[in-house]
Amino acid sequence: EAGVTQFPSHSVIEKGQTVTLRCDPISGHDNLYWYRRVMGKEIKFLLHFVKESKQDESGMPNNRFLAERTGGTYSTLKVQPAELEDSGVYFCASSQRFGTGWSQFFGPGTRLTVL
Amino acid sequence: AQSVTQLDSQVPVFEEAPVELRCNYSSSVSVYLFWYVQYPNQGLQLLLKYLSGSTLVKGINGFEAEFNKSQTSFHLRKPSVHISDTAEYFCAVSDRNNNDMRFGAGTRLTVKP
Repeated sequence: EAGVTQFPSHSVIEKGQTVTLRCDPISGHDNLYWYRRVMGKEIKFLLHFVKESKQDESGMPNNRFLAERTGGTYSTLKVQPAELEDSGVYFCASSQRFGTGWSQFFGPGTRLTVL
Repeated sequence: AQSVTQLDSQVPVFEEAPVELRCNYSSSVSVYLFWYVQYPNQGLQLLLKYLSGSTLVKGINGFEAEFNKSQTSFHLRKPSVHISDTAEYFCAVSDRNNNDMRFGAGTRLTVKP
């Protein structure tokens, strides 16, 4: 069974540009989460989808960040326009709603560098 | 809301020595507790989790952790480490709906020959 995948693995952009990160969760997982780790600090929650609906977006830093999950499958996280402080590693995770759903399975992350 | 403190940012140990990585949490509700490991250039992998029941939890790769409710701790231990255990370890806590997972800042374990 394929795990959580993220694309791209690395992205280097200039301040003011737009970047879109993609996450493909494990097939059948209704819950999808985005996290960010900035400069070796703690991993911080950004938002949580249940299928295509945003369950909790309290961690989104500001309105330059837009997350979508059309059709309840893959998700995208767009940063527009990117700022220097957006640099970090963006992780995606997924979990089932029931059964073994108490574990979040993480992707390898996308390392974003804003110059 | 929950929070997690990992008391050591870096832990260097020699191969075959025991290790303990410390984790304390705070929460006003009942929680689940997790340890994740991130090997170089890889994603986070679940080591072990405490949901309920026995307070001593055994995970993969010979790691175990003990939930101590009175001390609000969930320290990770391994009796004898290998070079391959070199990685960053994250303690995490979530509420019982598996939402709002909070992570510690990570502990970088370096195992030296």
